[in-house]
Order: sequence, then structure tokens, then C-alpha cells
Amino acid sequence: DAGVIQSPRHEVTEMGQEVTLRCKLISGHNSLFWYRQTMMRGLELLIYFNNNVPIDDSGMPEDRFSAKMPNASFSTLKIQPSEPRDSAVYFCASSKDRGPGNEQFFGPGTRLTVL
Amino acid sequence: AQSVTQPDIHITVSEGASLELRCNYSYGATPYLFWYVQSPGQGLQLLLKYFSGDTLVQGIKGFEAEFKRSQSSFNLRKPSVHWSDAAEYFCAVGVGVSNYQLIWGAGTKLIIKP
Repeated sequence: DAGVIQSPRHEVTEMGQEVTLRCKLISGHNSLFWYRQTMMRGLELLIYFNNNVPIDDSGMPEDRFSAKMPNASFSTLKIQPSEPRDSAVYFCASSKDRGPGNEQFFGPGTRLTVL
Repeated sequence: AQSVTQPDIHITVSEGASLELRCNYSYGATPYLFWYVQSPGQGLQLLLKYFSGDTLVQGIKGFEAEFKRSQSSFNLRKPSVHWSDAAEYFCAVGVGVSNYQLIWGAGTKLIIKP
């Protein structure tokens, strides 16, 4: 299995531009988590999907952020418009089912730099 | 409120020496506890987890952790570290109705001296 796949691995953009981050879940997994990691705030959960349905989006910082799961194996995180304070590493993780017994498998992350 | 504290931001140990990384949690119910490792430029990988039963759990790469309810701790240990163990280590507790949400510690960066 290829594991969780994220693209792009690095993204450099200018303030005000739209950014789309992509994530492919591990086959057979039905839970998807988007995280943001910064030095100042550590690892933060942005949104959690289960069976393609957003269950908890309380961590999404503001309306500029949106996430979708158009199908069971793929998700996007969009930032529009982007701002310098959005610079961070964004991870997605998937698991086989909801609940604590289920390991979250992380992708390699997308390092976003907004100039 | 639930929280996870990793009191050491950095720890430096010599290769071959023993290691203990500290983790304390605050959670009212029985905790679901995890240790993850993040190598430079990589995502996080599960080292081990505790839900119930034996309070000493074994993980991958020779790591183990001990749950101590009286101390609200879940410290990670390894008897002899290797240079490849240099990474950042995160402790997390599962919370919420279905415990899907992980509350993360700030991480401890492990530096290995040759």
C-alpha cells in the first residue's frame, strides 16, 4: 500500500492567491483528518471526516478555509485567499474507522509558504 | 479541560544511552494514550498506544511506555538509543464522544550525540 498521499509536497504562493492541497486516503480507510503544524501552535486538528461527511470542523480557522471529500478516497483543503499567517505544514491522516483504537496514518505533509 | 504536557522541548542523549521522554495528561475519563514519532520532513508514525490492560506497552523500534494512572503519566522509554532515533516525539490522548480527536502534546525533540 502506498500510504497516505499528499500533493503538492511544497507550495509557495503570494498573498491573496488560492491554494488547494490534496490528499488520497489509504484504500479501505473511512476517516480523514486535516492537521496544521506550526512552531508556535504545534499540531492542530482542522477538520475530521467520517464516511465522506464532515463531523467536526471546529478547528477550521476561518471562512477562508474549506475542505471537501468528493469521494471516499480523496480530499481537498482550499485556502482562498491565502495569507502569510497560513504558512505551515499541512498534514492529512486517515484511519480505518472512528474511535481511539484506530491508528491515524499520516501523509508526508505539504509545506505551504505564503509570501 | 483536556491537555497533554510534554515538559521537555529538547532532550540530548548519547548513542547507546537509555532514554525516557515524559508525558503527563489531564483527562477525566479513562484515557486512550498514544506516542507518535516524526522524523525530519516526514509525517507522524504511531510508535505505540494504550487503551486498557497491561500498563506497560511495547511498540515498534524497541520503544515501550508505561501508563501510571496515579501520576497521570505515560512516559516513553528505550533502553539504548540509536542515531536513527533522532526525531520529534509526540504524546497524544484520545478525547471526545468517540475519542476520534487527539489532543497533542507540544512534542519533544530528541538529539543523539555520537
